[in-house]
Amino acid sequence: AQTVTQSQPEMSVQEAETVTLSCTYDTSESDYYLFWYKQPPSRQMILVIRQEAYKQQNATENRFSVNFQKAAKSFSLKISDSQLGDAAMYFCAYRGNRDDKIIFGKGTRLHILP
Amino acid sequence: KAGVTQTPRYLIKTRGQQVTLSCSPISGHRSVSWYQQTPGQGLQFLFEYFSETQRNKGNFPGRFSGRQFSNSRSEMNVSTLELGDSALYLCASSRGQGIDYEQYFGPGTRLTVT
Repeated sequence: AQTVTQSQPEMSVQEAETVTLSCTYDTSESDYYLFWYKQPPSRQMILVIRQEAYKQQNATENRFSVNFQKAAKSFSLKISDSQLGDAAMYFCAYRGNRDDKIIFGKGTRLHILP
Repeated sequence: KAGVTQTPRYLIKTRGQQVTLSCSPISGHRSVSWYQQTPGQGLQFLFEYFSETQRNKGNFPGRFSGRQFSNSRSEMNVSTLELGDSALYLCASSRGQGIDYEQYFGPGTRLTVT
């Protein structure tokens, strides 16, 4: 079975600084997607960034980028120039081709310090 | 285009009762997935519907059921409620089935069982 592990329950970063959230996963599939979702206090889950496993190039979306290490099954999220609006729960997630339900990690609560 | 809507947003029920939650997907989306979010277990997949057929089911007891209508709207039902069913129930819709289709989440229904 596929699993997603986020080892950092909470993190804090100073506004304008850079922070990296860690995620590891386990799967025997070769075709899958990885995601980072953001869930602000309002509870609406928002997709931040996604990575196709077959792509070697790391995905980037403005201030958000990932470090995808397929062999190590690692998928970290880097947030540059942190802003107060980045404060939220961040979930790492996996979606495989065989069974396309999304499997979520437990989440990392990110605090932005002004 | 309107996002995924879920009704009601908040619900309080008593143990032993049953409850029905509703999800209206984004217009044109035919796939609807349901997730349960609790502090202890995190986000867990309940089931997925596509074209009125259940395509996938998570590891939940038979008290949890769902259906999808011809207009793609979906309902989930929980019978004989237990205290442990207290959770945020999230619905997500996508245009099609498969990992190439992004899932968009609704705001959730907060269910409290007393």
